[in-house]
Order: sequence, then C-alpha cells, then structure tokens
Amino acid sequence: AQSVTQPDIHITVSEGASLELRCNYSYGATPYLFWYVQSPGQGLQLLLKYFSGDTLVQGIKGFEAEFKRSQSSFNLRKPSVHWSDAAEYFCAISGGSYIPTFGRGTSLIVHP
Amino acid sequence: DTAVSQTPKYLVTQMGNDKSIKCEQNLGHDTMYWYKQDSKKFLKIMFSYNNKELIINETVPNRFSPKSPDKAHLNLHINSLELGDSAVYFCASSLRGTGDAYGYTFGSGTRLTVV
Repeated sequence: AQSVTQPDIHITVSEGASLELRCNYSYGATPYLFWYVQSPGQGLQLLLKYFSGDTLVQGIKGFEAEFKRSQSSFNLRKPSVHWSDAAEYFCAISGGSYIPTFGRGTSLIVHP
Repeated sequence: DTAVSQTPKYLVTQMGNDKSIKCEQNLGHDTMYWYKQDSKKFLKIMFSYNNKELIINETVPNRFSPKSPDKAHLNLHINSLELGDSAVYFCASSLRGTGDAYGYTFGSGTRLTVV
C-alpha cells in the first residue's frame, strides 16, 4: 500500500528565510509526486508535480522540489519565504489507477 | 472563470436535515471527486466518477449519495445529517483517471456545520 509521511506538523520561519518541507513516501515503483498548497478558507492548489525526467522540478510561486529515489523523498523548497506563503502544504503521491494518497499536511507559519 | 466551482461555500444546518452540495467543472476533465477534510486537515476520498460512472466508493455511510448528471457536474446529497458530518467538503477533477500524472484541480470547498 502506498503512503506519504510529512514529519513536520508545523514549521515556523521568518520572512525572507529559506524553507524546506519534508515528504517521504512508500510505493512499489516510482510514483507521481505532487505538492499542493491550501491557503486559509481555500481549496488545494497544485504547486508542482513530478512524474519523470529531471528530478528537480520548478513550480508556481517560486517553489521547487527535488525527487530523491534513494531516500524516497520529495522535499519542497523555497529560497526566500514571503508572508503570503503562510498556508497548509500537502504532499501527495499517485500512480497508475491509484487515487492520490495525501500526507497529513504541514502548516507553515511565517514571522515578520 | 472558476475552473471547479462548488455551492454553497458555507452550509449550517440542523441534525436530521437533508442537504445537497453542487459542483461544476469547466475544464473538460473526465473524472470528478468528492473529498472530506476533517478538523485536523486530513483529506479522505469519498467518491469518484469518470464520465458519469461511479468508479470509487469508499467506506462512506449510505446517507451520502453522489450524483453525476453529466461529465461536468458532480453533486453530493446527504440525508439525515449528523454532528460528525461537520467538515469541509471538496470537489476536485482530473483530466483523465484517478492516477492522473497532471494532478487534481480542487474547488474552494463547502464548510458544512451541523448543529
């Protein structure tokens, strides 16, 4: 069975600091990998995705993520966080006919 | 022009009532979904329709009944509402099937509060 682990429930950073949100997965093959962001009172918005090719993928809002097969990880990064990045971030995996499995989410708090 | 739109955005109702949530997508996607997000932000798939055909029906009380009149619409009807049904319900769509490599597009959610 596939699973996703986001080990950090909350992350607090200062505005302008760099950010890394962790995501580890369990899957029998190379899955499709996603990061979504949920702003307060909003639905989930797709930030970026990986399904093949270059293991460093660029997304919207200045985010990037790196797929590391050896570590079964797909960590999300941003070099300089803005106050508007405060939100809930979800990592998800899917593949073939499987519905996506979402992680429990990481809440990002940005201090001025 | 909203890609996946849900109505209503907020729904407050008494226990025992019946209510419906509507969802429409204008993306031309083949598959639509209902997710439930609990107070701890956990997302749980409830149902999925592909071209009006039910393809996923997770362990959900049979008080919940989805209906897809066409590929662009997926509605959720809930009978005899209970306190535990209070949650945010999200509609989503994907271009192809459930394991779509392009990801899902979500609506903005319906916050259901049962009192």
